[in-house]
Amino acid sequence: QKEVEQDPGPLSVPEGAIVSLNCTYSNSAFQYFMWYRQYSRKGPELLMYTYSSGNKEDGRFTAQVDKSSKYISLFIRDSQPSDSATYLCAMSAGSSASKIIFGSGTRLSIRP
Amino acid sequence: NAGVTQTPKFQVLKTGQSMTLQCAQDMNHEYMSWYRQDPGMGLRLIHYSVGAGITDQGEVPNGYNVSRSTTEDFPLRLLSAAPSQTSVYFCASRARSSYNEQFFGPGTRLTVL
Repeated sequence: QKEVEQDPGPLSVPEGAIVSLNCTYSNSAFQYFMWYRQYSRKGPELLMYTYSSGNKEDGRFTAQVDKSSKYISLFIRDSQPSDSATYLCAMSAGSSASKIIFGSGTRLSIRP
Repeated sequence: NAGVTQTPKFQVLKTGQSMTLQCAQDMNHEYMSWYRQDPGMGLRLIHYSVGAGITDQGEVPNGYNVSRSTTEDFPLRLLSAAPSQTSVYFCASRARSSYNEQFFGPGTRLTVL
């Protein structure tokens, strides 16, 4: 079993829709949770990160962590065609942890 | 700041050949990592380093060697390339105190025939 599971999609939604992306994990030691965005043929870029459980909001993006269920989510409001990309969740066990484990990524397409 | 740079961008090898993928960063980051990305597999950690002279294995280290003689450079060596090593390789770096914000290079697309 993989430490981090993520639905690969693809996910296609109309412009303006609310998008929900999710990951589950098995390692209860994970404390830092991140979302990366990767455009086609580019390297991933950090979008958001959260520590432990709770919500974090940044503009149209909201990250949620539920440690009791080992489940994290990324919500995108008012989705735009420029949000079309692959979204990867990532996790680590500590702030100075050397290993960051990634999910397989969800490919998202926003239709104009 | 150039950030994280990788060379070459593309490479085709024959089975059994060796080569080195280069990675450099100019941000004085302590941590550097190599990942490979395959369809449906996400990013898998190959090797990582927490500082000059210190390296360790990740999830998929077999067939790859690394060394870290300086803070800036972290080359990845394929000793005897195999078709299973066809992939996109990403180098990443981060500061020890940056709470996991990694900066990725543009990637190297490697095909092994």
